Amino acid sequence: RKEVEQDPGPFNVPEGATVAFNCTYSNSASQSFFWYRQDCRKEPKLLMSVYSSGNEDGRFTAQLNRASQYISLLIRDSKLSDSATYLCVVNPHFNKFYFGSGTKLNVKP
Amino acid sequence: NAGVTQTPKFQVLKTGQSMTLQCAQDMNHEYMSWYRQDPGMGLRLIHYSVGAGITDQGEVPNGYNVSRSTTEDFPLRLLSAAPSQTSVYFCASRYQETQYFGPGTRLLVL
Repeated sequence: RKEVEQDPGPFNVPEGATVAFNCTYSNSASQSFFWYRQDCRKEPKLLMSVYSSGNEDGRFTAQLNRASQYISLLIRDSKLSDSATYLCVVNPHFNKFYFGSGTKLNVKP
Repeated sequence: NAGVTQTPKFQVLKTGQSMTLQCAQDMNHEYMSWYRQDPGMGLRLIHYSVGAGITDQGEVPNGYNVSRSTTEDFPLRLLSAAPSQTSVYFCASRYQETQYFGPGTRLLVL
């Protein structure tokens, strides 16, 4: 079983839409969770960390559900510039990070 | 600051050849790591280092060697390249929660 699983998409949404991605993880001892963004043929960049109480950064909201072992990312008022692949990252072991295969988002005018 | 730099950007190898992928960072981060990214597989950790002289294996270490003689540099060596090592390789350094990735090296093994 993979450590981290994501729906690969693509999610095709119009500008201004709200879109949500989920990611499940297998190791219940995982302590740290992140969302990274990766543009086509570029390196991943940290979008936001995910905290137990949930956290928000502008149009982006991340939630953690430990009981069901999933994290989510909600994007409100989608922009064309949000088009990218969103990677879920879990840190179940000290100094080891596991990446999901990513969810592709296409925001269309 | 240049951040994390990787060379070369592209490389074509023949099966059995060896090569070293270079990675350097100028942020004085102790933690550095190497990942490979294949279609549909996400990034997989190859090796990591928590400081000069200290390295450890990640999820997919077979066929790769690393060393860390300085804080700045963390090269990845392929001793005998195989077609299965065709991939995009990313180096990263980490400070607290954030990993900073280099631009990647695209490797094709024929």
